[in-house]
Amino acid sequence: EVQLVESGGGLVQPGGSLRLSCSASGFTFSTYAMHWVRQAPGKGLEYISAISYNGGSTYHADSVKGRFTISRDNSKNTLYLQMNSLRAEDTAVFYCVKGEYQMLIVEEFHYWGQGTLVTVSS
Amino acid sequence: EIVLTQSPATLSLSPGERATLSCRASQSISSYLAWYQQKPGQAPRLIIYDASKRATGIPGRFSGSGSGTDFTLTISSLEPEDFAVYYCQQRSNWPPLFGGGTKVEIK
Repeated sequence: EVQLVESGGGLVQPGGSLRLSCSASGFTFSTYAMHWVRQAPGKGLEYISAISYNGGSTYHADSVKGRFTISRDNSKNTLYLQMNSLRAEDTAVFYCVKGEYQMLIVEEFHYWGQGTLVTVSS
Repeated sequence: EIVLTQSPATLSLSPGERATLSCRASQSISSYLAWYQQKPGQAPRLIIYDASKRATGIPGRFSGSGSGTDFTLTISSLEPEDFAVYYCQQRSNWPPLFGGGTKVEIK
């Protein structure tokens, strides 16, 4: 059974940093691209980052480019999202999502984690 | 980027009624459209992909149709557990963006 468990969320001040983790199990993590999708309170889904199976290709939406960095450690079956220079508008639930391909292919998403809440406030 | 516009924003219906949700793309996306259901406090769940294919475990009352720019999600007879927010998402062009959502609420 595919399981994705996010952690690392919490309250952070504007301008601060946070690193989210997503622990994966139930599949061969090192052979699939992974994604992050976020959802601000009461709002819709925003696709923000992706990484290929080996970390060789990454994508960041314009809204987070230059501030967020996606990475992975295949030896630990873990996906990361390093978030710097956080703003109030980054307040959201962040979901870890499994891809179905090795490379960054535009696709639908079958497996989602339960999400971790990041609150940016002073 | 392809923009997806969902309508209506809110649909107020009673259990047993038929729900029809719309998703319109800013350019043709062939049949590369998915639908997700999200309940409060839960992650989205894939229910339809490639416009009309039901995902694993999704009951037959859910159906999808359309191609090109206009797509429809139909719930033939609403069950209490179907009241939720529904999002569409395209997989035609990078990045895989979502529509703004339609809330199906109990009338």
